[in-house]
Order: sequence, then C-alpha cells, then structure tokens
Amino acid sequence: DVKVTQSSRYLVKRTGEKVFLECVQDMDHENMFWYRQDPGLGLRLIYFSYDVKMKEKGDIPEGYSVSREKKERFSLILESASTNQTSMYLCASSQSGIGTGGGSYGYTFGSGTRLTVV
Amino acid sequence: AQKITQTQPGMFVQEKEAVTLDCTYDTSDPSYGLFWYKQPSSGEMIFLIYQGSYDQQNATEGRYSLNFQKARKSANLVISASQLGDSAMYFCAMRENSNDYKLSFGAGTTVTVRA
Repeated sequence: DVKVTQSSRYLVKRTGEKVFLECVQDMDHENMFWYRQDPGLGLRLIYFSYDVKMKEKGDIPEGYSVSREKKERFSLILESASTNQTSMYLCASSQSGIGTGGGSYGYTFGSGTRLTVV
Repeated sequence: AQKITQTQPGMFVQEKEAVTLDCTYDTSDPSYGLFWYKQPSSGEMIFLIYQGSYDQQNATEGRYSLNFQKARKSANLVISASQLGDSAMYFCAMRENSNDYKLSFGAGTTVTVRA
C-alpha cells in the first residue's frame, strides 16, 4: 500500500527550540507539500517542492524552512519554535503533470503531526 | 481572496438520510479540478471524489456524488444513505492549471451522523 509517512504523530517542544518534522513517501512522486491545519482556517500551504533541492514558498512560509535532499523525503523546519506555531502539520505528495481540467492528480496525505509549542 | 468557500461549519444528519455539503470556488482559470476529502477524528485525509472543469457529467463514487454547477461556481458534495462512519470533517479543494501543483482548501464542514 502506497504511503506518506510522517515521523511523529504528536510532538511537544519548547519555545525557541529548532524543530524538524520529517515526511517520507514511497510513491516516487515529484511533488511534496507541507500544510498546517487550524480550526476554521482549513489547510494552508507552507512550502512545497516539485523536485529534489527545489522549493517554493506557499501562503504562510514565515517562520518555516524546508529541505529536500532526496526525492522521497521532505523536511519542515521550525527555526525557532513559537507558541503560534502550535498546530496540526500535514505532509502530502502528488504526481507531477496537469491533466485535462486541472488534473486528477490529487494528493496523498500523511497522518499528520500534532505539534504543541509550550 | 478566498478561493474555496465552505459556509457550513457543522451539520447534523440522521443515519440513512442524505446530506449536502456546500462548496463554492473562485477562479478565472478555465482549466481546474475540484476535490473533496474526508478527515476522520484520527486525522488522516481521505480522497473522496474529483471533478474536472471540462467533465460533462457530475462525478460519482459509490455513495458520494458531486453536484457541479459550473456557471454558479459551486461543487457541492452529496452523501447518500449516511452511516455513522461518515462522521468526520469534509474539505473541498481546488487545483488550477495556472497554479502549478497546489491545492487550495476550504475551511471544512464537520458532519455528525446521528443514530
């Protein structure tokens, strides 16, 4: 069964810590994404990557960085965690290419990491 | 501007009845795709159904159907014969040809199915 695996389900970190969230996919997908999910706001895109070592800012990149050294792995880094970064973080991957009508290439999501910064 | 709008924060539905979840979208791109995802309390996002902007017929997948009204820019999800396991949060999302590979999500609708 194809999968997107996030390394931690729950994480508690202290303010100011450097935090790494890891995501691995086994589908050979070109594209990988990091979203955060907050009540009433849905999912908001933090960063995405369409190739190894390539990255693009999403809608809310401030306070985050990413790393993609290998195709299957996409890491989200909180350089100095703050309490307003307490959230659910979802990683996803998708095939590249756009098909007819925007493409039927939806995302495959990981199970999420619930991060609490205290 | 909000690309995807879901106006129903929460809904209750009786078991075995149908429920309609509203979704409106905003795009000037003629080529786009619309998705619905289900998120149970366990947290994983489950793909339910897809509708392409050029598709002539409304998409259906088992008990899920998408009521696609292109002129009104709406893509409502209909769940027929609701089951207790349908209790979850549901997200509408859109992917535009002009916006590379990104999905834009709505705020979500929580559905609670009552026995």
